[in-house]
Parts: sequence; structure tokens; C-alpha cells
Amino acid sequence: KNEVEQSPQNLTAQEGEFITINCSYSVGISALHWLQQHPGGGIVSLFMLSSGKKKHGRLIATINIQEKHSSLHITASHPRDSAVYICAVKTSLYNNNDMRFGAGTRLTVKP
Amino acid sequence: DTGVSQNPRHKITKRGQNVTFRCDPISEHNRLYWYRQTLGQGPEFLTYFQNEAQLEKSRLLSDRFSAERPKGSFSTLEIQRTEQGDSAMYLCASSLVGGNEQFFGPGTRLTVL
Repeated sequence: KNEVEQSPQNLTAQEGEFITINCSYSVGISALHWLQQHPGGGIVSLFMLSSGKKKHGRLIATINIQEKHSSLHITASHPRDSAVYICAVKTSLYNNNDMRFGAGTRLTVKP
Repeated sequence: DTGVSQNPRHKITKRGQNVTFRCDPISEHNRLYWYRQTLGQGPEFLTYFQNEAQLEKSRLLSDRFSAERPKGSFSTLEIQRTEQGDSAMYLCASSLVGGNEQFFGPGTRLTVL
């Protein structure tokens, strides 16, 4: 079993829909990241969370440390949101090699 | 652009050939990481450097793989005697020591024919 599990693996939505991507992890963490990867490979960091909730534009990320669960929400989705969204956790504050990644959720938003 | 850069962006090679990739991290970042990502999967850790010292290598890094960061700035990843199973996206990231966030480059997509 992977230490970081994401669901769903694939998600297709119509433009304007509210989208939720879930991430569960089984290890102790110091931070959780939501990353966006567009076709072509480049990865962009969307959020880094250690507790609570963060909002940036139409994106909202929440984390529940007790339940070891995080969600990424996209409001009023748009075709340009189509990408792979990856959840990654940092397992130790000082050892930067300890990043574990989920397999990603491929989001397609249709106009 | 002061982000992480990688060259080349794409590499197609024949099985058995050697390939070398380069990563230029953000200039003040002293940690540099290499990851491999296959289709439909998240990145997998290969190795990381703190300045010029290679501090950890994954079991994924076979003897055919070698990475260097000779002056603590750019890094190279060499794959010798490439195999079809080496086909993947090779990602580089950099960070500050103690920082929680890694900054990723665009990746080098390797195709071994």
C-alpha cells in the first residue's frame, strides 16, 4: 500500500463544476503539498499545508492532521484547470529527501 | 527566469547508449534532488545532494546511474547502457536546507528505443 493515496485517479468535469480531489497518507508529516503538473511535465507548487485551510483564487486546500487526510477543491472549474494534481507529503522537518508522492489525479475540464 | 532549469527537455536514444542530463537549481538553494516519474505515477525519489555531497541514493538508482554536483551548483545525471525501462520523465528539484518546499524543473523526458 502506498504511503500517499489519492482519489480519484481520473476526473472529468464540465466547466463551472465544483471539484474535489482527496489525499490520504499513512505516515507522520511535517507538511503536505498540492502540486499541479501540466502536459510537458513541469510541476508547480499550489499549496503547502501543515494545518487548517488555505485559499488561493479558486483553489482551496484543507488538511485534517488527526485523520491524515487532505482535500483540494476547485470552484468554478475551467478548462485551463486541466492538469494532473499531485499530493506530496514531507515526512521529516530536516531531511528533505523524505518527500512521498501520490500517483496523481488527472483532471479534465470540458468546456 | 531564476527557476530550476533542466536540459535537454527531451532525449531519444537507442538501447545501450549513454545519456547525460543537466539540472541548474535556483542559485541560492543548497539542496538538489533527482526524481523519476513514469506514466500515471507520481515522482519517485532517486538521489539528493546538499551542496556537492551526495547524501542519499534510492534503491531505484542502479549501478548504471550516476549523479554528480561537482561545485555545489548544477548537477548531472548520467545513465549508462540505457534500457527501455529507463524511459521516463527525470525531474530535478531544489530547496534550501531545512525548507519544507521544493521547486521543480520542467523535467527531461527520456525515450529509449
